[in-house]
Amino acid sequence: DGGITQSPKYLFRKEGQNVTLSCEQNLNHDAMYWYRQDPGQGLRLIYYSQIVNDFQKGDIAEGYSVSREKKESFPLTVTSAQKNPTAFYLCASSLGQREKLFFGSGTQLSVL
Amino acid sequence: EDQVTQSPEALRLQEGESSSLNCSYTVSGLRGLFWYRQDPGKGPEFLFTLYSAGEEKEKERLKATLTKKESFLHITAPKPEDSATYLCAVHGSSNTGKLIFGQGTTLQVKP
Repeated sequence: DGGITQSPKYLFRKEGQNVTLSCEQNLNHDAMYWYRQDPGQGLRLIYYSQIVNDFQKGDIAEGYSVSREKKESFPLTVTSAQKNPTAFYLCASSLGQREKLFFGSGTQLSVL
Repeated sequence: EDQVTQSPEALRLQEGESSSLNCSYTVSGLRGLFWYRQDPGKGPEFLFTLYSAGEEKEKERLKATLTKKESFLHITAPKPEDSATYLCAVHGSSNTGKLIFGQGTTLQVKP
């Protein structure tokens, strides 16, 4: 079945540590996105990519980095510069710009 | 600035008690309004896309409608399995590649 796979499901970060969240899709979608979800708040866009080897900052990109070396993969690194990383992170993809998004099952990141 | 506001934040219904969720939006040039359902600890699941005022879409007990300022998600005779958080989001002409989300309405349906 086609879909989006996020891993791990749960992740713990120590202070000063960088951690990477994985996102893989086999839907052959061009566009991929990373959102952050905090309790009681809407999804906020971190980064998005509309094509391989290109990506743009979203509304809350500070403290995060991404790469898009393959169409299927869009990993997100939460760097030590992100002082409040505890949140639910969602990866999504779409066939093109302004199309409906398909979401992965999410990664819950917590700070030790 | 593009904005999406959902109300109420939380809604409790008895099984079979119909109601509506509201999504008010301010966007320059609507290019699509999306409804998603999200279960706890999971990613959002797509429900509907609406593009123009007057448009309606239905799926089982859910019906989404759209005006120039807001969208409603009507739930008819809900069942406990309809309990979830419902998210509304919009694409505008000025926010290329960005979907603006509301904060969601958490629905609980009691048997």
